[in-house]
Amino acid sequence: SYELTQPPSVSVFPGQTASITCSGDKLGDRYACWYQQKPGQSPVLVIYQDNKRPSGIPERFSGSNSGNTATLTISGTQAMDEADYYCQAWDSTINYVFGTGTKVTVL
Amino acid sequence: QITLKESGPTLVKPTQTLTLTCTFSGFSLSKSGVGVGWIRQPPGKALEWLTVIYWDDDKRYSPSLKSRLTITKDTSKNQVVLTMTNMDPVDTATYYCTHLLYSSTWYFNYWGQGTLVTVSS
Repeated sequence: SYELTQPPSVSVFPGQTASITCSGDKLGDRYACWYQQKPGQSPVLVIYQDNKRPSGIPERFSGSNSGNTATLTISGTQAMDEADYYCQAWDSTINYVFGTGTKVTVL
Repeated sequence: QITLKESGPTLVKPTQTLTLTCTFSGFSLSKSGVGVGWIRQPPGKALEWLTVIYWDDDKRYSPSLKSRLTITKDTSKNQVVLTMTNMDPVDTATYYCTHLLYSSTWYFNYWGQGTLVTVSS
């Protein structure tokens, strides 16, 4: 079965850049999206189709996807960005797969 | 404004069948490129995709749970029903109903608030 692997945790100082990776076999051949989940809340879509932001998502969130790795970048990280982040991919062969999740801590 | 809300039992016994209903508003499941899916999350663990039903009544299931899952829709009531048989304590999780949209790929656009289902005797 297809798997997406993320680092368990990422720490970042306020105002700095946080990068969260998502690794999977030929992930770049598929589109990746990213979800943010704060404690006790439902996930929220922050990036879809590799690098598109839904309405209402701040510009500091950006995404890229190439080769075997998709990356979510949070520029100028704020305290409110502290959350768990999950990548997800789809295609007709793997259906829907979520990553293992990354906890982002703002120091 | 798209909203989804899950309803159903919060406690089920092992071997019982779980039935959850997703009642949604703000979109039509008859519209091309739209779907409704179920995702669960055990306490403290990652998200796990379960199933999805598309506007054309096509359905997809997680391979590992396919034998236990059934998803149906009632477009006139704006509802989607998930059935999971032979429940086990490892199925204890928050179950989310989601709205899916297609734009070169499928993604989970909106999520319900989730409902915690505990499996225990």
